[in-house]
Amino acid sequence: AQSVTQLGSHVSVSEGALVLLRCNYSSSVPPYLFWYVQYPNQGLQLLLKYTTGATLVKGINGFEAEFKKSETSFHLTKPSAHMSDAAEYFCAGDNQGGKLIFGQGTELSVKP
Amino acid sequence: DGGITQSPKYLFRKEGQNVTLSCEQNLNHDAMYWYRQDPGQGLRLIYYSQIVNDFQKGDIAEGYSVSREKKESFPLTVTSAQKNPTAFYLCASSIPMVFGGPYNEQFFGPGTRLTVL
Repeated sequence: AQSVTQLGSHVSVSEGALVLLRCNYSSSVPPYLFWYVQYPNQGLQLLLKYTTGATLVKGINGFEAEFKKSETSFHLTKPSAHMSDAAEYFCAGDNQGGKLIFGQGTELSVKP
Repeated sequence: DGGITQSPKYLFRKEGQNVTLSCEQNLNHDAMYWYRQDPGQGLRLIYYSQIVNDFQKGDIAEGYSVSREKKESFPLTVTSAQKNPTAFYLCASSIPMVFGGPYNEQFFGPGTRLTVL
């Protein structure tokens, strides 16, 4: 079955530290991958997407992700966490069947 | 500005009552989706529609119904048959690949939080 897996439902970092949120996809999911962010009681906002071309993708708010086909991964990183980065993050893949397949989400906490 | 609107933001209903959640988009997208979000469970697809007058069940369609009479609108009715309707509901839209979209990038509305008392 096609799947997207996010490792770690909760991640906590200190302000200024590296943020690393992990996402792995099943090889049957086509390589159209997305990261969304959700702030409390709001909808999802697109952070970045990988479609074709360069495997290192830059998004909004200083986030980036690298598509690694050999590892079936699409981890999200940010060099220096800010308090405003505290939110829930979702990785998703396009199954080319009219639906996105979402991971379970990772809640990021940022400590002062 | 183009976007997706959901109303109301907060909705309260008594147990046993049907309730309809509104979703409107002016992005000229053909496809629309409804998701349910519960704490710790991510997003679960309820229904989706790739074209007017057509829709398909998602993973958790029981107790819900939809209609797609207009391209811009995709209302969701939570019926009394839904055993645990209290949740955060999200609507989204996209240009599906069948209509020339290169990939299924979905745009989300702000959500409606439904509480059944």
